[in-house]
Amino acid sequence: GAGVSQSPRYKVAKRGQDVALRCDPISGHVSLFWYQQALGQGPEFLTYFQNEAQLDKSGLPSDRFFAERPEGSVSTLKIQRTQQEDSAVYLCASSFFQGPSYEQYFGPGTRLTVT
Amino acid sequence: AQKVTQAQTEISVVEKEDVTLDCVYETRDTTYYLFWYKQPPSGELVFLIRRNSFDEQNEISGRYSWNFQKSTSSFNFTITASQVVDSAVYFCALSGDAGNMLTFGGGTRLMVKP
Repeated sequence: GAGVSQSPRYKVAKRGQDVALRCDPISGHVSLFWYQQALGQGPEFLTYFQNEAQLDKSGLPSDRFFAERPEGSVSTLKIQRTQQEDSAVYLCASSFFQGPSYEQYFGPGTRLTVT
Repeated sequence: AQKVTQAQTEISVVEKEDVTLDCVYETRDTTYYLFWYKQPPSGELVFLIRRNSFDEQNEISGRYSWNFQKSTSSFNFTITASQVVDSAVYFCALSGDAGNMLTFGGGTRLMVKP
């Protein structure tokens, strides 16, 4: 079956621009996660949804970052007034069940470059 | 707070050598889960294994094996008879009662040379 898909795969933004990154999780997956991966580092948690409810946004680095999943399937991560330090790969992952024991399936990521 | 440390940032081996990737974790949770993921050059993280904190039995899957030791808070990964296709970045990760998210280590880049 289809895996997690993300679009665009690459995004170049000028500093100060707003960007929107899309994630299509595996159909039927309840849980959806966003992670940020800086070059040469491990992914870092940003936010978590269970269906349409955003249950944890403790990892969002600033109020410029906003995520939504209005119908419990597709999710969008929006970054307002992008800064150079926002340059990273943004990974989306989904899991069939809710809970820390279930493996997460990752998408290919969106590489954001802020110039 | 949870923390995962992968002290080896980069390992280079010649094909057919055995290689062990180290992972040390910190958590205050009684129940927790450990994972290994592989990130090939394409960038997509691929799930390899999950262990829970109550199951210290080692696991073998083909050329891959995992050694979980609670006494040393370690969850090491061994590849036997490495192949060029094993070249990737490998991440150890942890989740627990504090939340559903994964806490990742910094990753180990494995290069297998022919």
